[in-house]
Amino acid sequence: DTGVSQDPRHKITKRGQNVTFRCDPISEHNRLYWYRQTLGQGPEFLTYFQNEAQLEKSRLLSDRFSAERPKGSFSTLEIQRTEQGDSAMYLCASIRQGGITEAFFGQGTRLTVV
Amino acid sequence: TQLLEQSPQFLSIQEGENLTVYCNSSSVFSSLQWYRQEPGEGPVLLVTVVTGGEVKKLKRLTFQFGDARKDSSLHITAAQPGDTGLYLCAGSYGQNFVFGPGTRLSVLP
Repeated sequence: DTGVSQDPRHKITKRGQNVTFRCDPISEHNRLYWYRQTLGQGPEFLTYFQNEAQLEKSRLLSDRFSAERPKGSFSTLEIQRTEQGDSAMYLCASIRQGGITEAFFGQGTRLTVV
Repeated sequence: TQLLEQSPQFLSIQEGENLTVYCNSSSVFSSLQWYRQEPGEGPVLLVTVVTGGEVKKLKRLTFQFGDARKDSSLHITAAQPGDTGLYLCAGSYGQNFVFGPGTRLSVLP
């Protein structure tokens, strides 16, 4: 257990529906990252937050994707009008400010769009 | 663009054999990390290397960071079936990471 929790673990949705995922990071970590991972690939960066501020977004993050971290604690990732190509594992990572940068991942949310 | 390559992509060996997997880049990283990921789970941090030429050992796993901080290797001695998984390297630059595509290791009993 890394101390990072994600919910739900699995989500099956119909194409065109909206989905929302939640990540609860390690409480003393002020940086939170979202990654997407498809089968056979390494995680691809989507976006990251320092406290409640969203500091960087990947070009992978289309307009249908939005992420929030309203109080600098948990974060949500919403995908609107899901497409089959959105099917992937969505990973959240928690990182402590300062010192050596080390990421601690949650168990991920596996999204399947049918 | 910071890119990491890993080799081999797939590796299947018998229990008890030794193996080495590689992580290479043309870019310099401030630190490099190795993770192991099992199916359906998130990556789990194994080690972080920071100094060029650094060697770290974790039981039967030996990690080395290249002198120029552009590459790294992971050597496993006497592999066990429990070592099976996806081994990912990740390079740290600024506030972000870049991940390699991983080496999928299968250790057969």
